[in-house]
Amino acid sequence: AQSVTQPDIHITVSEGASLELRCNYSYGATPYLFWYVQSPGQGLQLLLKYFSGDTLVQGIKGFEAEFKRSQSSFNLRKPSVHWSDAAEYFCAVGSGNQFYFGTGTSLTVIP
Amino acid sequence: NAGVTQTPKFQVLKTGQSMTLQCAQDMNHEYMSWYRQDPGMGLRLIHYSVGAGITDQGEVPNGYNVSRSTTEDFPLRLLSAAPSQTSVYFCASSRDRQNHEQYFGPGTRLTVT
Repeated sequence: AQSVTQPDIHITVSEGASLELRCNYSYGATPYLFWYVQSPGQGLQLLLKYFSGDTLVQGIKGFEAEFKRSQSSFNLRKPSVHWSDAAEYFCAVGSGNQFYFGTGTSLTVIP
Repeated sequence: NAGVTQTPKFQVLKTGQSMTLQCAQDMNHEYMSWYRQDPGMGLRLIHYSVGAGITDQGEVPNGYNVSRSTTEDFPLRLLSAAPSQTSVYFCASSRDRQNHEQYFGPGTRLTVT
C-alpha cells in the first residue's frame, strides 16, 4: 500500500532562516507528488506539485521542492521564512483514483 | 467562482443521529472526494467520485455513504453517528482523476456526543 511519511511533527525556525520539511513516500512507480499548506481553521492550499520532468519544482509563496527518486523523497524548501509561513504542511501522493496524505508538519516561526 | 463550498461549518450530533454534510463545486470538476482530518493522522480519504453516478470507497469508508447525482454536488451521509466520527471533514475536487490537483473546501467541524 502507498504511504507518505513526514518524520518531523513540529519544526521551529527563526524568521529569515531557511526551511526544509521532509517527506518520504512508498510507491511502486513515480507518483504524483504534492505539498499543501493549511492555516489554522482553514482548508488546504496547494503549494506545488510534481508530475514528471524537472525534479526541482517551484511553487507559490517562494517554496520549492525536489523529487529524488533514489531516496523516495520530496522535500519542501524555502530559503528565507516569513512569519506568515507559520502553518501546517502536508505532503501527499496521488495514486490512481486515490490520494494519500502524510500526517503533517507544524511550522512555528520565531520573530 | 465560489470554488468548493461546504455546509454546515459546525455541527453537533448525538450518538445515533444521522445527517448529511453538503459539498458543491462550480468548476465543472469530474473528481470529488471526502476526507476526514484527525489530530496526528493527516487527512484520510473516505469516499470519492470520478463523475456523476460513479462513487467508490477510500481508506476509511465505514459509517459513511455518498452519492453523486450531479457533477456539482457530492453529499456525505452519516448513517448513525458515533463519537469516533468526531472530526473535521473536507471536501475536495479536481478537474479529473488524472489531474490530481485538488481544491479543498473550508471544512465542516463535526462533534458527536
